Amino acid sequence: QKEVEQNSGPLSVPEGAIASLNCTYSDRGSQSFFWYRQYSGKSPELIMSIYSNGDKEDGRFTAQLNKASQYVSLLIRDSQPSDSATYLCAVNRPGTYKYIFGTGTRLKVLA
Amino acid sequence: DTAVSQTPKYLVTQMGNDKSIKCEQNLGHDTMYWYKQDSKKFLKIMFSYNNKELIINETVPNRFSPKSPDKAHLNLHINSLELGDSAVYFCASSQVGFSGNTIYFGEGSWLTVV
Repeated sequence: QKEVEQNSGPLSVPEGAIASLNCTYSDRGSQSFFWYRQYSGKSPELIMSIYSNGDKEDGRFTAQLNKASQYVSLLIRDSQPSDSATYLCAVNRPGTYKYIFGTGTRLKVLA
Repeated sequence: DTAVSQTPKYLVTQMGNDKSIKCEQNLGHDTMYWYKQDSKKFLKIMFSYNNKELIINETVPNRFSPKSPDKAHLNLHINSLELGDSAVYFCASSQVGFSGNTIYFGEGSWLTVV
């Protein structure tokens, strides 16, 4: 089992729809969770971080965390073509220096 | 003012050569990393230094040698380059110590071995 798993996609959604990206992780000790967006040929950039169970909203983005089920998700409302990118999930266990990344989900928003 | 900067951005070199990639961060972070991203976009950690001390050394060939002259700099030297070394190498930094600290990436160094 991979430490952090994501569906590689591509996930195609029409413009204006909600895109739902999922991530599962294996280390129950993980406490910090991050979503990064990576455009082709660019470096990963942070979209959101989440540390507590439940939802966290930031503009059109909502991160959802369920530690009991060991999954974290990212919802993108009113998807735009500019949201087309690869979304990387990352987890970190407190006191460690390791940030483990998933393989990413490629999102395509169709105009 | 770039937070994590690495050079060169593009590097094309022949098999067997030795090359270095340099990284600097001006965020005041204690921890720096090298990640390798392959063609399938998988970001795999290679090394991490905390205050100039090597703390993570994943299963990376001995041909790869990191060096941290101070906590703001982390360089990567690669000996006897092989075709399989072609990838994007990302430098990153974070301030680890408590939950909630983000890892910030440099712009990447695209290495092509021919």
